[in-house]
Amino acid sequence: DVKVTQSSRYLVKRTGEKVFLECVQDMDHENMFWYRQDPGLGLRLIYFSYDVKMKEKGDIPEGYSVSREKKERFSLILESASTNQTSMYLCASSLWSGGAGYSNQPQHFGDGTRLSIL
Amino acid sequence: GDSVTQMEGPVTLSEEAFLTINCTYTATGYPSLFWYVQYPGEGLQLLLKATKADDKGSNKGFEATYRKETTSFHLEKGSVQVSDSAVYFCALSDKNTDKLIFGTGTRLQVFP
Repeated sequence: DVKVTQSSRYLVKRTGEKVFLECVQDMDHENMFWYRQDPGLGLRLIYFSYDVKMKEKGDIPEGYSVSREKKERFSLILESASTNQTSMYLCASSLWSGGAGYSNQPQHFGDGTRLSIL
Repeated sequence: GDSVTQMEGPVTLSEEAFLTINCTYTATGYPSLFWYVQYPGEGLQLLLKATKADDKGSNKGFEATYRKETTSFHLEKGSVQVSDSAVYFCALSDKNTDKLIFGTGTRLQVFP
């Protein structure tokens, strides 16, 4: 089974801090994703990465950056945390589809990090 | 662009009732379709998927059929249990990348 591990289940930080959320997958997946989940808004994609050192902005990248130095690890960085970034953050990974479009590969999710910014 | 629409929740049922959660999609081509489930305090888990028209995905008593003519992928279960209480997300694959497009989720509450 695919295992996606997020470094923290709960995290409390202060406004203005630089915050790192870490995600590791153990199935050699090419794709990795960061989402945030808020009540009534569903899942919103922040960034995704389709290869080492490659990244693409999602729907809500403002205030975030990412790092993918190794295939198995994808980090989300809040450059200067603000209270409106209090949320549940979910990491996911998937196999590369081969570029044919309309992938049939499911994404595999971690258990999430509930981040509170005070 | 491509999109997914799910019925609003919460859906409240008694144990052993029949469940339907509606999902319709808009897409210019033939996406793969997925249902995910999120139990309290956890991440999303793949429940089932279908990759082409008329495919039926099934798992744990849940079923969904890929209906191209009605652009729908409704989730059904014949007899729900209290343990099925969760949030259910419908999703479709993106046309040009390996992203998924998610619906907003439907909360299911099952009472004994």
